[in-house]
Amino acid sequence: DAGITQSPRHKVTETGTPVTLRCHQTENHRYMYWYRQDPGHGLRLIHYSYGVKDTDKGEVSDGYSVSRSKTEDFLLTLESATSSQTSVYFCAISESQGANYGYTFGSGTRLTVV
Amino acid sequence: GQQVMQIPQYQHVQEGEDFTTYCNSSTTLSNIQWYKQRPGGHPVFLIQLVKSGEVKKQKRLTFQFGEAKKNSSLHITATQTTDVGTYFCAGRGAAGNKLTFGGGTRVLVKP
Repeated sequence: DAGITQSPRHKVTETGTPVTLRCHQTENHRYMYWYRQDPGHGLRLIHYSYGVKDTDKGEVSDGYSVSRSKTEDFLLTLESATSSQTSVYFCAISESQGANYGYTFGSGTRLTVV
Repeated sequence: GQQVMQIPQYQHVQEGEDFTTYCNSSTTLSNIQWYKQRPGGHPVFLIQLVKSGEVKKQKRLTFQFGEAKKNSSLHITATQTTDVGTYFCAGRGAAGNKLTFGGGTRVLVKP
């Protein structure tokens, strides 16, 4: 979907280094989410944002932090990467939390921690 | 916390046959969504169900929300190779703020 882009698409990093993933949207949607996808676990919510500087934790937030200084950008930071954080990371956006609003997902970032 | 389970985890289907995947929540849901993810791709929103007992159709796909709003199903008729992918259900609890995704059903089609 053209309205949401993630960068980088692929990254290999070493254990213990900080890593920042970027999600950029052009839809002016209020809600933004970070998920990780691992085999057998589906999509698990890391953090989400319901507005500029308004963020909250998801179910697997340990070791991750986020920032949203502008409506269009939502950054996910792995403070000190570990091998257990090797995963595919998806950003999603939503106009509203109400009925009939599905999430639009980005193309994902494949992160490998060695 | 809220848990959403999907069965089966894998579904091998002969082209032309029908199949159903099921989604069960540990708590009552305010609504449920379904997504499809093609191999190597990202999840794409298919549909949302809100009302108890609701049934919606999209061509060969039929989605149903249970009477108790704790389960849902996706039925695909006359499976085609284009149906290959992983189907996720995602439930929103009574608090209404976040979606909880099931583990997905990975569909493989045998021509």
